[in-house]
Amino acid sequence: GQQLNQSPQSMFIQEGEDVSMNCTSSSIFNTWLWYKQDPGEGPVLLIALYKAGELTSNGRLTAQFGITRKDSFLNISASIPSDVGIYFCAGQIQGAQKLVFGQGTRLTINP
Amino acid sequence: GAGVSQSPSNKVTEKGKDVELRCDPISGHTALYWYRQSLGQGLEFLIYFQGNSAPDKSGLPSDRFSAERTGGSVSTLTIQRTQQEDSAVYLCASSLEFWGRNGYTFGSGTRLTVV
Repeated sequence: GQQLNQSPQSMFIQEGEDVSMNCTSSSIFNTWLWYKQDPGEGPVLLIALYKAGELTSNGRLTAQFGITRKDSFLNISASIPSDVGIYFCAGQIQGAQKLVFGQGTRLTINP
Repeated sequence: GAGVSQSPSNKVTEKGKDVELRCDPISGHTALYWYRQSLGQGLEFLIYFQGNSAPDKSGLPSDRFSAERTGGSVSTLTIQRTQQEDSAVYLCASSLEFWGRNGYTFGSGTRLTVV
């Protein structure tokens, strides 16, 4: 069954706005990853997090590994048109051998 | 190769036909995964290969779906007697470590349309 709850499912924003999305679970995670998928392409890794409380940035993107190890968020500052796409969280549950993925957040930007 | 390569990129098939989708992972990556993504949906896990271990087939939706990985490299996902609900993008990914600590690298997918 679904082990990751990603929200929101979709976002419609104006160019220049900041964006925030998150993933939560009832399970404890050892690793959190954030991916972006452009139309017609496979997901591409944006940020990887390995420790509870870790805050990592990649340009205008910032992600954090929640203190409880059961959640993570991704922020995008000053959005631009090329930020459009689907963002997926993913993580390795403690004791598991493969990643689990969230359902994705579809980001649409109005110019 | 430099990335994960999938072929064909698009496939249109008639209902009831069999199809084979190919994935060529990054050289040296021991783990290989297949996912399915229906229109506008998330990633549905299908099957996972790790080295010489028995594959994790827990995500295959029916016995019409099968996959093999020859020589620890190229993988083929086969769908027999295709149905319209099989229409989706099939994504392959590979990783260096067995559980992908540094994430998976995805291919661009095969878009399957069953008519």
